[in-house]
Amino acid sequence: DTAVSQTPKYLVTQMGNDKSIKCEQNLGHDTMYWYKQDSKKFLKIMFSYNNKELIINETVPNRFSPKSPDKAHLNLHINSLELGDSAVYFCASSQVGGGDTQYFGPGTRLTVL
Amino acid sequence: GEDVEQSLFLSVREGDSSVINCTYTDSSSTYLYWYKQEPGAGLQLLTYIFSNMDMKQDQRLTVLLNKKDKHLSLRIADTQTGDSAIYFCAESMYSGGGADGLTFGKGTHLIIQP
Repeated sequence: DTAVSQTPKYLVTQMGNDKSIKCEQNLGHDTMYWYKQDSKKFLKIMFSYNNKELIINETVPNRFSPKSPDKAHLNLHINSLELGDSAVYFCASSQVGGGDTQYFGPGTRLTVL
Repeated sequence: GEDVEQSLFLSVREGDSSVINCTYTDSSSTYLYWYKQEPGAGLQLLTYIFSNMDMKQDQRLTVLLNKKDKHLSLRIADTQTGDSAIYFCAESMYSGGGADGLTFGKGTHLIIQP
């Protein structure tokens, strides 16, 4: 059973397009996250979200928006894609109060042409 | 501010022990983690340590925490070719009121020599 899953695994698109990456967790966790890993493998938090609040890293452009249809899903929407958005995006989840140990999805490699 | 530092590369011979070091700046860190990332793969949680602990051992892995010096290390005994990966140190400032995500180091590339 996959704990945290993401789709698609690979996404290739043109500049200016709008795209979404889906994330689902079946761990019953109450908090989900999106991270960006650049070409140098540096990982940065983009968002954390639970049913109470969304915490946004101030460096994330407002073209990026997380949407949570329910507690088990946190999708990432990206508008007007730019070349610099090319990266691997990881979703993660944790149970706040349970040690905050985060479990990561397999990643989505986004390539903007 | 938050900052986690690691050496970018470590080369060891197969069968030797590997020691990957990490320093962090935020003294309010409550949990510290080690994640492993193999080429083309996601992040695998290896182990974590709570800030009131000094040491944690799990099979071939030993984590040492020096809270005074804000220094964390991961020792891998009897390093094998399958240990070749990037190892990320991360800290969490879980406050009980919400989750701000993890702050990661830049990762240490562990290279195994035959």
